[in-house]
Amino acid sequence: DAKTTQPNSMESNEEEPVHLPCNHSTISGTDYIHWYRQLPSQGPEYVIHGLTSNVNNRMASLAIAEDRKSSTLILHRATLRDAAVYYCILSPLFYGGATNKLIFGTGTLLAVQP
Amino acid sequence: DARVTQTPRDKVTEMGQEVTMRCQPILGHNTVFWYRQTMKQGLELLAYFRNRAPLDDSGMPKDRFSAEMPDATLATLKIQPSEPRDSAVYFCASGLAQGAGTGELFFGEGSRLTVL
Repeated sequence: DAKTTQPNSMESNEEEPVHLPCNHSTISGTDYIHWYRQLPSQGPEYVIHGLTSNVNNRMASLAIAEDRKSSTLILHRATLRDAAVYYCILSPLFYGGATNKLIFGTGTLLAVQP
Repeated sequence: DARVTQTPRDKVTEMGQEVTMRCQPILGHNTVFWYRQTMKQGLELLAYFRNRAPLDDSGMPKDRFSAEMPDATLATLKIQPSEPRDSAVYFCASGLAQGAGTGELFFGEGSRLTVL
């Protein structure tokens, strides 16, 4: 499984944008880039995923480098509720008998200051 | 809101006892995953199923752990006998794998197990 590298922790101020980086230099052509987050005392929750093009949804944006060796999760206006551990995960497509198993690393602990 | 339901939410037991954790995946989902989370190891994948068939349980200690899906609405994770090192939060997740899609995983709230 291709590995990802994320900073252990980051800080942000409320209502400011947050850019969470992820390096994945060994990504393969079929690997999707997934982001999940885990709020305190809860299970992980899906944030966003992408393959090559940048992606936007109601929660965040995902910017993927042209060579796909890195990506950035962008929270446009951080709120206190966004304080969580953010995981960047590579996983191949569901294809034939393959299954989208997600192998979690240590993630980035995001602290949001009021 | 469709959600993954796990029971029990909290379980305290004594070493040597059997523990069974249950998970009800979201209706219509065809993949189910069991994860374990500890401070030391983080989130570890224990086992997963697709269309109720076990695909991979290499993350599970085989001698004491077993995972099954008796039917499409129930997944179980059993530990027998339990040991203090099994103390952790156990998460179940479900998703829909179809075609060449990736599938978002939906996680339950977890079962916190404490083995004394």
